[in-house]
Amino acid sequence: QVTLKESGPVLVKPTETLTLTCAVSGFSLSNAKVGVSWIRQPPGKALEWLAHIFSSDEKSYSTSLKSRLTISKDTSKSQVVLTMTNMDPVDTATYYCARLTSVPAQYYSYYFYMDVWGKGTTVTVSS
Amino acid sequence: DIQMTQSPSSLSASVGDRVTITCRASQSISTYLNWYQQKPGKAPKLLMYAASTLQSGVPSRFSGSGSGTDFTLTISSLQPEDLATYYCQQSYNTPQAFGQGTKVEI
Repeated sequence: QVTLKESGPVLVKPTETLTLTCAVSGFSLSNAKVGVSWIRQPPGKALEWLAHIFSSDEKSYSTSLKSRLTISKDTSKSQVVLTMTNMDPVDTATYYCARLTSVPAQYYSYYFYMDVWGKGTTVTVSS
Repeated sequence: DIQMTQSPSSLSASVGDRVTITCRASQSISTYLNWYQQKPGKAPKLLMYAASTLQSGVPSRFSGSGSGTDFTLTISSLQPEDLATYYCQQSYNTPQAFGQGTKVEI
């Protein structure tokens, strides 16, 4: 059974750095066909894609948040870590991690989709 | 960056109705389009990928179509458990943007 579980602080102060951990089970972070994504959702608002990482260590980031985000993985611990610097109250949100799966498409490309999600962890930014 | 725009933002329908949600990309994304369902207080759930491929276990009343810039998600006969917000997401390139969501009320 594939599961992902997010963990991290419930409350952070403005300007602090947030560190979130996604613990995965039921699949390996060394699997070439999968990765892990981070997504957030402010209260009452839409989903926002943040970043993803693949087994090759290839990483991608949100354009608007790129300067503040770092994603990394520890394959031996089956964990993916997301750090976000200089936290602000507008960063208050539920943060999700999800398994990113790929299947072959045409012309040597792949379809990517997030097929298993964690339950999310709520982070509030307040002094 | 590719922008994703959904319409309508919300809709109200009755059980048994046919419901259609539209998603438009700011540039062509071929069929690199996913749909997710998010029920209140829950994590999103994958409904469909590659624009029209139903994820395992998803009821067949859900269907998807489209390519290029225009896509649709259709619920052929709305059920009470379909109360949710639906999001499209492009996977053509990064950042893999989501649409703003369509809230379906019954």
